[in-house]
Amino acid sequence: GIQVEQSPPDLILQEGANSTLRCNFSDSVNNLQWFHQNPWGQLINLFYIPSGTKQNGRLSATTVATERYSLLYISSSQTTDSGVYFCAVARGSGANSKLTFGKGITLSVRP
Amino acid sequence: KAGVTQTPRYLIKTRGQQVTLSCSPISGHRSVSWYQQTPGQGLQFLFEYFSETQRNKGNFPGRFSGRQFSNSRSEMNVSTLELGDSALYLCASSLGEWRVEAFFGQGTRLTVV
Repeated sequence: GIQVEQSPPDLILQEGANSTLRCNFSDSVNNLQWFHQNPWGQLINLFYIPSGTKQNGRLSATTVATERYSLLYISSSQTTDSGVYFCAVARGSGANSKLTFGKGITLSVRP
Repeated sequence: KAGVTQTPRYLIKTRGQQVTLSCSPISGHRSVSWYQQTPGQGLQFLFEYFSETQRNKGNFPGRFSGRQFSNSRSEMNVSTLELGDSALYLCASSLGEWRVEAFFGQGTRLTVV
């Protein structure tokens, strides 16, 4: 099946710093999503981005589908950005829409 | 509009028992998928239902089963619980056709003792 690798596995930042989280995947995809898992376990949708670039406030994401990677940028980080960030991909729609997740990136933002 | 709702939020069961978890998708969404999250294995796909039919299944034993009702609500059942079934179970819903973006519920945390 498709492989998803996220890096780095852990990231420690000072409040106000910028960061880049990376997601590499092994095959062409029809769906790529970034999630932030809150302390209670819920996966919060950040971006649906199978290709291209999107921005939402201090967060932005870019997926280069032809090179099979995606980047999540966090600018001016805040302590509330702490948590685990997951990248998940799917090959297609319908019966091929199951998501394969990376192992996650644990971000700690220090005040 | 309301998000994905999972019940119950927390559950403690004894080995050998069975458990049923429920998921109500976003209104209008016809696909419901289930995932298991454990510290050791991460997030793993269990199965997906679309229009009351199982459309895809992950690599889990037959003790794990599910179903979907005509209103798109889904249940998953785990029989003969084992200690290793302790996990966070997450449900996701999507429109299910060309639009595949998934939205997750808050999860059910199952502890097997």
